[in-house]
Amino acid sequence: GENVEQHPSTLSVQEGDSAVIKCTYSDSASNYFPWYKQELGKRPQLIIDIRSNVGEKKDQRIAVTLNKTAKHFSLHITETQPEDSAVYFCAASKNFNKFYFGSGTKLNVKP
Amino acid sequence: NAGVTQTPKFQVLKTGQSMTLQCAQDMNHEYMSWYRQDPGMGLRLIHYSVGAGITDQGEVPNGYNVSRSTTEDFPLRLLSAAPSQTSVYFCASGTYNSPLHFGNGTRLTVT
Repeated sequence: GENVEQHPSTLSVQEGDSAVIKCTYSDSASNYFPWYKQELGKRPQLIIDIRSNVGEKKDQRIAVTLNKTAKHFSLHITETQPEDSAVYFCAASKNFNKFYFGSGTKLNVKP
Repeated sequence: NAGVTQTPKFQVLKTGQSMTLQCAQDMNHEYMSWYRQDPGMGLRLIHYSVGAGITDQGEVPNGYNVSRSTTEDFPLRLLSAAPSQTSVYFCASGTYNSPLHFGNGTRLTVT
């Protein structure tokens, strides 16, 4: 099956700085890569996703890049704000019904 | 739309007891799945379904059963609860164009 690894496990940045979280996957057939944000005690919520026919996608301060050859994808958050503090999960899927998740990154944005 | 509704929100079981976690969605999504979330381990797929009458195992299916008699409902049954099943359980639904919407979760403690 698919194996998704996520780094770092914790990330602390100063407000206004950028944050980058990286994931690798093992199954070259995976073709959909979402990112989820989870606040304490809440459900994971989709923040951005990318499909394998695209190399980069951006939504305001959030962007995701995908390198299919190297089998890795990254989440970039610019101009971080305290409300960006949460746990972020990457995931990979090849058929949109089975998802394999990374172990999560706890992002702390210091005011 | 209520989205994905899970009940109960909290449950405490004794070892050996059985119970059913309920999940319902009103978005007419064909895909439904169950994940468990344990600290430091991300979300792991228990069982999933690609349509009514069709279910399959995920990464960690042992000790759990599912059925999908309707498009809307996807209950998860714990046959004989064990302390190792203490976790937060998330139900999710989705389609090819709208993958993985999560419910609010069920926090289960097995003593």
